Amino acid sequence: NAGVTQTPKFQVLKTGQSMTLQCAQDMNHEYMSWYRQDPGMGLRLIHYSVGAGITDQGEVPNGYNVSRSTTEDFPLRLLSAAPSQTSVYFCASSTANQGSIFAFFGQGTRLTVV
Amino acid sequence: SQQGEEDPQALSIQEGENATMNCSYKTSINNLQWYRQNSGRGLVHLILIRSNEREKHSGRLRVTLDTSKKSSSLLITASRAADTASYFCATARQAGTALIFGKGTTLSVSS
Repeated sequence: NAGVTQTPKFQVLKTGQSMTLQCAQDMNHEYMSWYRQDPGMGLRLIHYSVGAGITDQGEVPNGYNVSRSTTEDFPLRLLSAAPSQTSVYFCASSTANQGSIFAFFGQGTRLTVV
Repeated sequence: SQQGEEDPQALSIQEGENATMNCSYKTSINNLQWYRQNSGRGLVHLILIRSNEREKHSGRLRVTLDTSKKSSSLLITASRAADTASYFCATARQAGTALIFGKGTTLSVSS
């Protein structure tokens, strides 16, 4: 049982390049989310999904796309990378219990855009 | 904008001392959670307190919630060096869809 797996762990991109950050969970959770973490800013929600085929925007969605074709996978796409997207990205998988959501996090992807 | 704001941003204490960090939030909530993040790692759930609870304990953790002031506090008693980490409060975004986190408190416990 791996939990939440993010790949790659590290990535360097040139401005304008595109890439996909992968996230997979094996806990059969309905909810999945992407966050970015920047110094002094905490975690900010980029996009989230409440089930296969359903996604919605978070606090900072610009420059990112997501899709949820299966329960297990929730990839995050950067269409044209910008230096402002240099950050640590975390994927979370969540389950609801008695009206409360509990999140399980991956180990993060450290992205640098030069 | 972020729902929760932790205070202080950074806290340095000696082993054996208690550590208290606070969280303020903006809208009504069903529950509030605290998470911990060790350096370079993902967040890990610590404790949840529901809106109808005032206080909750889990081991050396004590959480309080004051819904009238829209604030919560996390107390770690008898701190250890291993408690060194960042601590975040989180609330659910709109009827339990995705969690919104505060900016966190960085705790450093020295031996």
